[in-house]
Amino acid sequence: ETGVTQTPRHLVMGMTNKKSLKCEQHLGHNAMYWYKQSAKKPLELMFVYSLEERVENNSVPSRFSPECPNSSHLFLHLHTLQPEDSALYLCASSQVLAHSTGNTIYFGEGSWLTVV
Amino acid sequence: SQKIEQNSEALNIQEGKTATLTCNYTNYSPAYLQWYRQDPGRGPVFLLLIRENEKEKRKERLKVTFDTTLKQSLFHITASQPADSATYLCALGDPNAGNNRKLIWGLGTSLAVNP
Repeated sequence: ETGVTQTPRHLVMGMTNKKSLKCEQHLGHNAMYWYKQSAKKPLELMFVYSLEERVENNSVPSRFSPECPNSSHLFLHLHTLQPEDSALYLCASSQVLAHSTGNTIYFGEGSWLTVV
Repeated sequence: SQKIEQNSEALNIQEGKTATLTCNYTNYSPAYLQWYRQDPGRGPVFLLLIRENEKEKRKERLKVTFDTTLKQSLFHITASQPADSATYLCALGDPNAGNNRKLIWGLGTSLAVNP
């Protein structure tokens, strides 16, 4: 139990569907992240939020839309995805923005997404 | 741009031996380097962090070294156990990626400890 909970754990969706991934952290952290993990590729940072404000958007297609209503919750809204978007989507949090400080990043268990 | 190379081949060792995993980077020295463990189908779990001014860090059976001359970090697990079998990822803090926001990840090395 890492303190970061993701739902659903598995999701199969058609290319015309709209779905959302949900993440909740119980650690009192101020920064939250979405990562994508595909086979044979390193972790790809998608979005970074600090105190509910988006501070990073790494050229992610608009079919992925993040939402951070408060510092404990993060959503990833999905619509008109492509089969190549099938991957493990990981939510993570850290006390403050981790990248410049070396703060530990706490990951959730991930949501396995399959686009058919 | 900065790249990370980790042992691409899976590492198989006998229980009780020391496992040594390598993380090489190609460009400038990072401000810090982290090691994470990832089990199949689960998110990575933080293990150790070492900063650029540190040579070595230890935590129980784990040891990390950082050699900025060789542009390399070594991750050691002593007295390895089958429960140590997992994929180990290294990640570098990139000081040149605008506001220090970038964390560069390696592909990971798969370790199998045989009983």
